[in-house]
Amino acid sequence: GAGVSQSPSNKVTEKGKDVELRCDPISGHTALYWYRQSLGQGLEFLIYFQGNSAPDKSGLPSDRFSAERTGGSVSTLTIQRTQQEDSAVYLCASSHLIGAGELFFGEGSRLTVL
Amino acid sequence: TQLLEQSPQFLSIQEGENLTVYCNSSSVFSSLQWYRQEPGEGPVLLVTVVTGGEVKKLKRLTFQFGDARKDSSLHITAAQPGDTGLYLCAGEAGGTSYGKLTFGQGTILTVHP
Repeated sequence: GAGVSQSPSNKVTEKGKDVELRCDPISGHTALYWYRQSLGQGLEFLIYFQGNSAPDKSGLPSDRFSAERTGGSVSTLTIQRTQQEDSAVYLCASSHLIGAGELFFGEGSRLTVL
Repeated sequence: TQLLEQSPQFLSIQEGENLTVYCNSSSVFSSLQWYRQEPGEGPVLLVTVVTGGEVKKLKRLTFQFGDARKDSSLHITAAQPGDTGLYLCAGEAGGTSYGKLTFGQGTILTVHP
């Protein structure tokens, strides 16, 4: 596709359930980022991938969060045993360059944990 | 951990007024970006500055990177209702943080007709 695609766009789940969020980056972009955004706030860094490897996982809030990227393309962010504080918009971005390159963001996946 | 502090957090002005948003840190950044985000969408890049003291202009928007590369500002001249949105600064520190963009908490700008 022309842009970064994320799914689902909205997810409502019960506390304790696992969720998977998917990101399909722009074709050819080697860098992929996951951020979390609370309502009207800035973006909280979670993890980024260079190819299939994740040089920096320091932003993952707890061991309930994990992410993987396969084939240098699609990435999945998994949250196990969801908690209410996990409710947020999860944004994915891809970039042709690491560093000063422009990040192209998807529209996000809005997660609501009841 | 590199932190970026944005101010003000909220800005409500009338059409035609000027405004400045500030982004400050105690850390040095190798580059700094400004994004604009509208509700229900992801942020969209406005500009990247990489050189200390650099000034870039994008129509009515003027971006400045501090000489020490620790701060930046966004100035909008004669604001329009279409400028309404969330403005975010983001810095890349380099070194061991290479590739990791740290975002400020954002400035919500509302321009009233």
